[in-house]
Amino acid sequence: NAGVTQTPKFQVLKTGQSMTLQCAQDMNHEYMSWYRQDPGMGLRLIHYSVGAGITDQGEVPNGYNVSRSTTEDFPLRLLSAAPSQTSVYFCASTTQRGAGGRADTQYFGPGTRLTVL
Amino acid sequence: AQTVTQSQPEMSVQEAETVTLSCTYDTSESNYYLFWYKQPPSRQMILVIRQEAYKQQNATENRFSVNFQKAAKSFSLKISDSQLGDTAMYFCAFMTGIQGAQKLVFGQGTRLTINP
Repeated sequence: NAGVTQTPKFQVLKTGQSMTLQCAQDMNHEYMSWYRQDPGMGLRLIHYSVGAGITDQGEVPNGYNVSRSTTEDFPLRLLSAAPSQTSVYFCASTTQRGAGGRADTQYFGPGTRLTVL
Repeated sequence: AQTVTQSQPEMSVQEAETVTLSCTYDTSESNYYLFWYKQPPSRQMILVIRQEAYKQQNATENRFSVNFQKAAKSFSLKISDSQLGDTAMYFCAFMTGIQGAQKLVFGQGTRLTINP
């Protein structure tokens, strides 16, 4: 298993450009999420999905869109990049917790470092 | 909303020493999960240890152990016999116990340096 993969590893954008960060997992996990990591702060949740066709907002969703058309893929779209979106982005996946079930380990991708000029 | 606070931005110890990283959290829930993640320079997020709030026994994983004080809402990580490879950022994280919710709330992190 490749686990959670993210592309690209690095990206530089100009203000106003759009792009899509790719995330894929091959573990058949229902739950996927996107976090951003800024200096001096922990990871913060942007968007998450509990299964194909279902997405919801996290703590910092503004300026980002997501969709989940398959179990494997969960792309993050920046609609009009701004310098405030300069960050390291992490995708994570885990199994969906059933009734009374314990939370399983979240598997993180290697991250994408994005710079917006 | 839950919050997680790590009050030590940086720590430094000598190899083979024991070091304790602090974490406090705020929640009104009675059932939840707590985690420590390690992030080495490679940026990869690696799960170090986890604790279920309903378990009174402190979790241990080899050289890593926690001191979970539920009433005080404290969750510290102890690293025994520290090694150079332990040098990394360490994040404390909280997950609600609500069914179906898998969101992690992270602290600000502690940069740990192990000196030879």
